[in-house]
Amino acid sequence: GQNIDQPTEMTATEGAIVQINCTYQTSGFNGLFWYQQHAGEAPTFLSYNVLDGLEEKGRFSSFLSRSKGYSYLLLKELQMKDSASYLCAVMDSNYQLIWGAGTKLIIKP
Amino acid sequence: ETGVTQTPRHLVMGMTNKKSLKCEQHLGHNAMYWYKQSAKKPLELMFVYNFKEQTENNSVPSRFSPECPNSSHLFLHLHTLQPEDSALYLCASSQEGIRTGATRYTFGSGTRLTVV
Repeated sequence: GQNIDQPTEMTATEGAIVQINCTYQTSGFNGLFWYQQHAGEAPTFLSYNVLDGLEEKGRFSSFLSRSKGYSYLLLKELQMKDSASYLCAVMDSNYQLIWGAGTKLIIKP
Repeated sequence: ETGVTQTPRHLVMGMTNKKSLKCEQHLGHNAMYWYKQSAKKPLELMFVYNFKEQTENNSVPSRFSPECPNSSHLFLHLHTLQPEDSALYLCASSQEGIRTGATRYTFGSGTRLTVV
């Protein structure tokens, strides 16, 4: 079966750096997405990786290793507003999006 | 505001009630989706519409009935639901259909449904 694994919850301190990992086992691969979802709000697109390597976008970076079935989202200079759930999703060979259950990130002062 | 609007934001209904969820997108997208989001579970794709035609129905019980009158509006009609159907129902839209790559989804804020 197809599976996306990510930690259920993580805690970090304001101003620090946190890395949220995502491992996947899917039937084929057509890209990996990260979405951010604040409580009671819509998930919003953060990043898309289809080639190996690091994509940097401001304070957020996303890394992909297709050979290892692994990605991470790196958040730098954490702010209180970064408290949210972070959803990892992989598009398989049939262009179906396979979602992880999300990682709830708690930022403490 | 994401450009995808869902109403109502919250809904409490009895198991014998009939209600409808509404989704409207102002982005000019041609694909729309219904997702179910339960606590600590992955998003579950329910229905997909491309150019108003239903292209996916992921084994969803018949007590959920979608309707897409045009490419900007999507409804989910609910009847005789069960308590386990309580969840956040998210609508999303995208420019391409689901079977092309790099599809970026725009989500609405969802309807929090409680079945009592």
